[in-house]
Amino acid sequence: ELKVEQNPLFLSMQEGKNYTIYCNYSTTSDRLYWYRQDPGKSLESLFVLLSNGAVKQEGRLMASLDTKARLSTLHITAAVHDLSATYFCAVDTSNTGNQFYFGTGTSLTVIP
Amino acid sequence: EPEVTQTPSHQVTQMGQEVILRCVPISNHLYFYWYRQILGQKVEFLVSFYNNEISEKSEIFDDQFSVERPDGSNFTLKIRSTKLEDSAMYFCASSGSMFGVAKNIQYFGAGTRLSVL
Repeated sequence: ELKVEQNPLFLSMQEGKNYTIYCNYSTTSDRLYWYRQDPGKSLESLFVLLSNGAVKQEGRLMASLDTKARLSTLHITAAVHDLSATYFCAVDTSNTGNQFYFGTGTSLTVIP
Repeated sequence: EPEVTQTPSHQVTQMGQEVILRCVPISNHLYFYWYRQILGQKVEFLVSFYNNEISEKSEIFDDQFSVERPDGSNFTLKIRSTKLEDSAMYFCASSGSMFGVAKNIQYFGAGTRLSVL
């Protein structure tokens, strides 16, 4: 059974601090996605990582992919309160590029 | 900005009834998806749809579920005989052109909350 595991599940951090969220997956894939979900809201696509070694950055967030280790990281730099949300990674396992398995989610709270 | 729209925002139904959840994807997108999220849990893939047919589906998407793109704009998810455990938020998503990153960036609708009583 495919597993996509994130850790930590819950993260409370102070503004200005750095932290990394980890996403491990149990199958071969070189397509990994990160999404943000605000409470009671829909999902927003953050990053698309399509090859080993891919690194993408947007503002205070940086995502990377190591397909050999089956690991993606989402690094938060100098956190601000607006980053408080739940972050999901998702792995595309199909040959068609159309089947996505989501991780357990990391609920991030940034404390002023 | 183009967006994915879903209706209704909340659907209440009795167990055993059929429901149809509706989605209007972004107009020039080629790929369409349904997901569900039980309250407080992770997002679960149900089905993807391309070129007027199912591209991939998960184990959750059994014979009780079906999808249709009846008129070139709407994309519907039908649950034939709802169960209590079908209660969840259902999200529709669409993505763009055939190749490259644009295909993979999914835009999600606001969701339909399905409550089965």
